[in-house]
Amino acid sequence: EDKVVQSPLSLVVHEGDTVTLNCSYEVTNFRSLLWYKQEKKAPTFLFMLTSSGIEKKSGRLSSILDKKELFSILNITATQTGDSAIYLCAPSGGSNYKLTFGKGTLLTVNP
Amino acid sequence: GAVVSQHPSRVICKSGTSVKIECRSLDFQATTMFWYRQFPKKSLMLMATSNEGSKATYEQGVEKDKFLINHASLTLSTLTVTSAHPEDSSFYICSARVDSEQYFGPGTRLTVT
Repeated sequence: EDKVVQSPLSLVVHEGDTVTLNCSYEVTNFRSLLWYKQEKKAPTFLFMLTSSGIEKKSGRLSSILDKKELFSILNITATQTGDSAIYLCAPSGGSNYKLTFGKGTLLTVNP
Repeated sequence: GAVVSQHPSRVICKSGTSVKIECRSLDFQATTMFWYRQFPKKSLMLMATSNEGSKATYEQGVEKDKFLINHASLTLSTLTVTSAHPEDSSFYICSARVDSEQYFGPGTRLTVT
């Protein structure tokens, strides 16, 4: 059975702090790993990672995948209150690229 | 680009009635569409995978006669919750896949009274 474990489950930081969110996975016929941010509504796409060791960056967010250790991290530097959200890790697998979601990390950034 | 819409965004219906939710990929053709359900403070649970022109594949424990999925075109999939009950109240989200990326619709909040 496919499995995704995210840690920590929740995190409270102050504005300006740097955070690292972790995701470990076991997925049959792994294709790629996606990170999403979910606020009040549906998830919004952040990154898709397919190759090990290649960091993807978007502003203050970055992410990297380790396909040998079955692990990914999402970094957010200089956090802002607008970064407060649930961050979801979802590896995809199989011919349809089916996503398996972790429980998410609830990040709260206080002013 | 890569916008997915859902309609309606919110619906309240009476127990025993059926509700149809539409999912459209607005600016791309989706190879596959997925339907998820999310309970408060829980993660997304995949209900079914749908490819255009073929029958949907349902996840274990999801009743296919209760949650009817139609995927008429590469840009439209519908989920019909039949004979809805209060326990079907939830947040239903669709996503559309293009290549290896998947984009989510804004979700539909269903409340069954």
